[in-house]
Amino acid sequence: AQSVTQPDIHITVSEGASLELRCNYSYGATPYLFWYVQSPGQGLQLLLKYFSGDTLVQGIKGFEAEFKRSQSSFNLRKPSVHWSDAAEYFCAVAPNSGYSTLTFGKGTMLLVSP
Amino acid sequence: DAEITQSPRHKITETGRQVTLACHQTWNHNNMFWYRQDLGHGLRLIHYSYGVQDTNKGEVSDGYSVSRSNTEDLPLTLESAASSQTSVYFCASSGDTSYNEQFFGPGTRLTVL
Repeated sequence: AQSVTQPDIHITVSEGASLELRCNYSYGATPYLFWYVQSPGQGLQLLLKYFSGDTLVQGIKGFEAEFKRSQSSFNLRKPSVHWSDAAEYFCAVAPNSGYSTLTFGKGTMLLVSP
Repeated sequence: DAEITQSPRHKITETGRQVTLACHQTWNHNNMFWYRQDLGHGLRLIHYSYGVQDTNKGEVSDGYSVSRSNTEDLPLTLESAASSQTSVYFCASSGDTSYNEQFFGPGTRLTVL
């Protein structure tokens, strides 16, 4: 069975600084990979996804993520964080054949300091 | 615009009562999911459905049931609510392939006293 690890429970970043959120997965083959964001009191919104091709994926709100097969990682990055980026971020994986359910990591809470 | 809605948004109930949480989507998606979100656990899958009359158990299905009588709705029932089921519940729907994103509802905060 697949699993997802987000090693950082909380991260604090200064506004304007760069951001990297870590995600590692365990799966026998290359899975489909997703990053979702959850603002306080809201449901989850898809930021970006990877399923094949270019390993650097661009998403909404200026986010990008890089798939590294050798490290089983799919880290989320943003060059300059805005106060409105404060939220919880979830990495998720799904098998790359047929349809199956998503497995989510436990999330990383991003705090943005002035 | 297509959307996914959940009701109620907040619910307080007592131990032992039956509770049903509603989920309605207008995306015409075949796949629908129920998750619970708890601090330190992220999102855990309760039940899911790949189409009308299809239901499947997820990671934490004990004490919950679902039924799918049409494409738009997947109600979640807690047969006899327990304090351990105090949580935030999210419904989601998606298209028919693994790389289709799941669209999430706004959530229902359930408190079992």
